[in-house]
Order: sequence, then structure tokens, then C-alpha cells
Amino acid sequence: DAMVIQNPRYQVTQFGKPVTLSCSQTLNHNVMYWYQQKSSQAPKLLFHYYDKDFNNEADTPDNFQSRRPNTSFCFLDIRSPGLGDAAMYLCATDEGGEYTDTQYFGPGTRLTVL
Amino acid sequence: DQQVKQNSPSLSVQEGRISILNCDYTNSMFDYFLWYKKYPAEGPTFLISISSIKDKNEDGRFTVFLNKSAKHLSLHIVPSQPGDSAVYFCAASDTGKLIFGQGTTLQVKP
Repeated sequence: DAMVIQNPRYQVTQFGKPVTLSCSQTLNHNVMYWYQQKSSQAPKLLFHYYDKDFNNEADTPDNFQSRRPNTSFCFLDIRSPGLGDAAMYLCATDEGGEYTDTQYFGPGTRLTVL
Repeated sequence: DQQVKQNSPSLSVQEGRISILNCDYTNSMFDYFLWYKKYPAEGPTFLISISSIKDKNEDGRFTVFLNKSAKHLSLHIVPSQPGDSAVYFCAASDTGKLIFGQGTTLQVKP
């Protein structure tokens, strides 16, 4: 089955210790997104890639970086996690076509910062 | 500045009855609207969508209604089933990017 996979599902890190979250997709979609979702809040878009073009949201902290080495994989790097970065991180993909904006989500990675 | 709002954090209905989840938006430029369902410890799953040129879209037990003049959309689930218990997010598309509401937790009681 075509899908969006996120690893790990649960990640624990220490305050200030860099962490990398991984997302892969078998849908061959052009666009990949990273969202941050805190409890009882709406998912918040951090950035997205359209193919290799990186698009950062204006309010995404510099502490958050992303890499997309190929169509299938996208990584979220948090350089110096703070307690406020504890959240669910969701990866999503989109065909990137003109007439559809439906995004398909992975299961998420729950990040805990100690 | 919340462009998409779901004002009811939770909703409880009896199995077999209708569930109505509501969503309001402020940006008249939104042209595509979606509903996602999310179970605990899983990512959101796409449920149903509607283009701004339509006022209704139906898929089995799920129907989405769009009232552009009121900037309001709703999701109707009928009949509701216990397996429908989840968090429901509405989302609106702004040039391809999705803006999400905060979600409504639906509980369907047997």
C-alpha cells in the first residue's frame, strides 16, 4: 500500500540535544510538509518542499531545519530542542497538482524533551 | 488570528443518530475545504472535501455542506457509529497550504 511513514513514532531527547525526525513516502508525491501539533491545537505548518524547492513559514523558528535528499525522504532537524518543542510532528504529502490540495499524513512522531 | 475555527471542542451523540460538526472561516479566498479524522496516536486521515464552487458533497455516510456567504461549513455523519469516535479537523486551502481548525472530539455512544 502506498503510504507515508514516519520514524521513530516516539522520540525522547534532552534539552539542547539535536534530534532528527524522518519521513518517507511511497506515493511519489511532489510536495512534502512538516507540521507541529501541540495538545488540543491545530496542526501548524512549519515548512514544505515542492520538489527540491524549500518553503519556510515566516514564523518557523530558526531552530527548525529540513532536508529533502530525494523525492521519497524528508527530514526535520531540531538543532537545540527546548521544552516548548515537545509536540507531535506530522509529515504530509500532496501530489502538487493544480486541482487538488488533499494532503496525506503519516502517523506522526511524538517528541518529548527532558 | 485564527482563520479557521471549530468552536465546539467536543460533541457526544447516540449511535444511529446524526452527528453535525461545524467549522467557520474568515478568509474569503479559501477555495477548497477538507475534513480529516484523527484517532489517538495516529496521523490525520483524509475524509471528504469540497470545492468552493459547490455547496454539497456526499460520500456514503458523510456529507459536507458549504455556505460561502456565511463562511461556514459542516460535516454530517449519518447514521453515526461508535467507530466514528475521533477528533475531526476541518481545513481550508490557501494556495495549496492547509489551514486547520483546532478540532472537535466526537464521541458516539452505543
